Amino acid sequence: ETGVTQSPTHLIKTRGQQVTLRCSSQSGHNTVSWYQQALGQGPQFIFQYYREEENGRGNFPPRFSGLQFPNYSSELNVNALELDDSALYLCASSLDGRYTGELFFGEGSRLTVL
Amino acid sequence: TQLLEQSPQFLSIQEGENLTVYCNSSSVFSSLQWYRQEPGEGPVLLVTVVTGGEVKKLKRLTFQFGDARKDSSLHITAAQPGDTGLYLCAGSPPDGQNFVFGPGTRLSVLP
Repeated sequence: ETGVTQSPTHLIKTRGQQVTLRCSSQSGHNTVSWYQQALGQGPQFIFQYYREEENGRGNFPPRFSGLQFPNYSSELNVNALELDDSALYLCASSLDGRYTGELFFGEGSRLTVL
Repeated sequence: TQLLEQSPQFLSIQEGENLTVYCNSSSVFSSLQWYRQEPGEGPVLLVTVVTGGEVKKLKRLTFQFGDARKDSSLHITAAQPGDTGLYLCAGSPPDGQNFVFGPGTRLSVLP
């Protein structure tokens, strides 16, 4: 139990729709990173939020956007969904925007795009 | 872009056997982490190695970071069914950018 919670756990959308995924970080953590994990692959970095500001972004198009709130919880928004967006979306919390510390992952939100 | 490769991709062994999985790159990493991910869950950190040549032990698991900090190995002694899962390595590039994850080794230990 990492203390990181994600919602919803599963959802099904159709191509072209929009989705919002939510993450509550571990108590005391001010940094949230989002990852996309396609079936049979390792997690791919989407972006990181540190103290409500984007603090690094991976190779994902602008239709992937995010937000971090004053309580350090975070949202991942994906617009104009494509079939290839089907994946497990993982949220990880950590301390102080660093990339060297331990990442505490939630259980993920499994998105299926039909 | 720094990439990590892991081998083997899949491994199925009997309880009690030993095994080694590998994480390789052509790039140098400041540190390297190993995570285990079980079905329906997020990855959980097993270990972080920082110094080239470093060896860390966690019960029956032995982790080694290569001298040049480009590769790592995970050795499991007397594997148990509870060791079943996806083993992921993640490297921290020297420029301080985000972790890079390998594709993972999926281990199945049969009773």
